[in-house]
Amino acid sequence: DAKTTQPTSMDCAEGRAANLPCNHSTISGNEYVYWYRQIHSQGPQYIIHGLKNNETNEMASLIITEDRKSSTLILPHATLRDTAVYYCIVRVAPNYGQNFVFGPGTRLSVLP
Amino acid sequence: NAGVTQTPKFRILKIGQSMTLQCAQDMNHNYMYWYRQDPGMGLKLIYYSVGAGITDKGEVPNGYNVSRSTTEDFPLRLELAAPSQTSVYFCASSYAGGEQFFGPGTRLTVL
Repeated sequence: DAKTTQPTSMDCAEGRAANLPCNHSTISGNEYVYWYRQIHSQGPQYIIHGLKNNETNEMASLIITEDRKSSTLILPHATLRDTAVYYCIVRVAPNYGQNFVFGPGTRLSVLP
Repeated sequence: NAGVTQTPKFRILKIGQSMTLQCAQDMNHNYMYWYRQDPGMGLKLIYYSVGAGITDKGEVPNGYNVSRSTTEDFPLRLELAAPSQTSVYFCASSYAGGEQFFGPGTRLTVL
């Protein structure tokens, strides 16, 4: 699976959009971009994933650049409950046996 | 659906003791996983299973054993607990290797 690079931490004002970047310059053509988050002491929570088109669900939007070497997770109206560690992961999906490799992620702090 | 459940939530072991961490899912997922997370770090895969009767090692399997006799259950066994196994353990499941659903975790301390 391709390696990802994320900033260590970010701040965002409550009610504003949180834009979390992720670089994955060695991504392969059959690898998807997944985003998970982990709120303190809880198990990771799936947010969204995509291959090359932009994706949106009730939680967030995922913007993938045309060359697929980077992506941005957008939380449109961040709340205090969005404070968490966000993990960007690239992997083949569906995947027979390989795990999700969780790096250190980005610690997002939503400030009142 | 309860999703993925784990027991116990907390446990303190003495060095050399053994225990089994329980994990169950009611989503009829064929894939199940065990991860550990040390303080301030990402998750590391211990073992995974692609179906009943099939298990395989992950990144950090030493000191652990697993079994998968049913689709629903995937227990993790620690035979001789060591301080290095102090961690938070997460169980997860998925359908056909897609997005994973995680349990609430078991916080284990080995003294």
